[in-house]
Amino acid sequence: SYVLTQPPSVSVAPGKTARITCGGNNIGSKSVHWYQQKPGQAPVLVIYYDSDRPSGIPERFSGSNSGNTATLTISRVEAGDEADYYCQVWDSSSDLVVFGGGTKLTVL
Amino acid sequence: EVQLVESGGGLVQPGGSLRLSCAASGFTFSSYAMSWVRQAPGKGLEWVSAISGSGGSTYYADSVKGRFTISRDNSKNTLYLQMNSLRAEDTAVYYCAKDSSGWRGMDYYYYMDVWGKGTTVTVSS
Repeated sequence: SYVLTQPPSVSVAPGKTARITCGGNNIGSKSVHWYQQKPGQAPVLVIYYDSDRPSGIPERFSGSNSGNTATLTISRVEAGDEADYYCQVWDSSSDLVVFGGGTKLTVL
Repeated sequence: EVQLVESGGGLVQPGGSLRLSCAASGFTFSSYAMSWVRQAPGKGLEWVSAISGSGGSTYYADSVKGRFTISRDNSKNTLYLQMNSLRAEDTAVYYCAKDSSGWRGMDYYYYMDVWGKGTTVTVSS
């Protein structure tokens, strides 16, 4: 089955840029989606189709996808961005939804 | 406003059964696929199952195939997850989600654009 690999943790200072990666075999050929989950809350979709933002998601959130790596970029990081972030794809070879293991973003 | 409200969680003994429900409102329920996603304590998200808008197509993670059954009643705007032969490793918060899916060029996309708050299932003796 298809595997998505994320770093367990990323740390960034307020006002700086955070980049969270999601690795997968030829992931650039798939649509990647990203979710933010704050402690005790349900996940929220922050990026879909690699780089599109749902309404209400700040422009500071952006995404890219090429080759074997998709990236969620958060610019001008704020304390409120501290959360777990998950990437997700549809594995068409097995008709399954696949999530990455998640990355804990810490704002220093 | 789109809303999803799960119910039916609780404490169940290993080998037991439980049925989760998810009441949907604010959108044309029958037009959208729906999913169940779970999260074990301190762990990441795990997709469990999905069902098409008509209910004619269902999909399951290998970890639950043969034990869980997803269904929907479009007349009641409600999604269900029947869970049988429960194991300790099924202990988790179970979320229902509204799905968005289709073709984008040659790629089939599938994502969850709205999530419920979740219901907790604990499997323990």
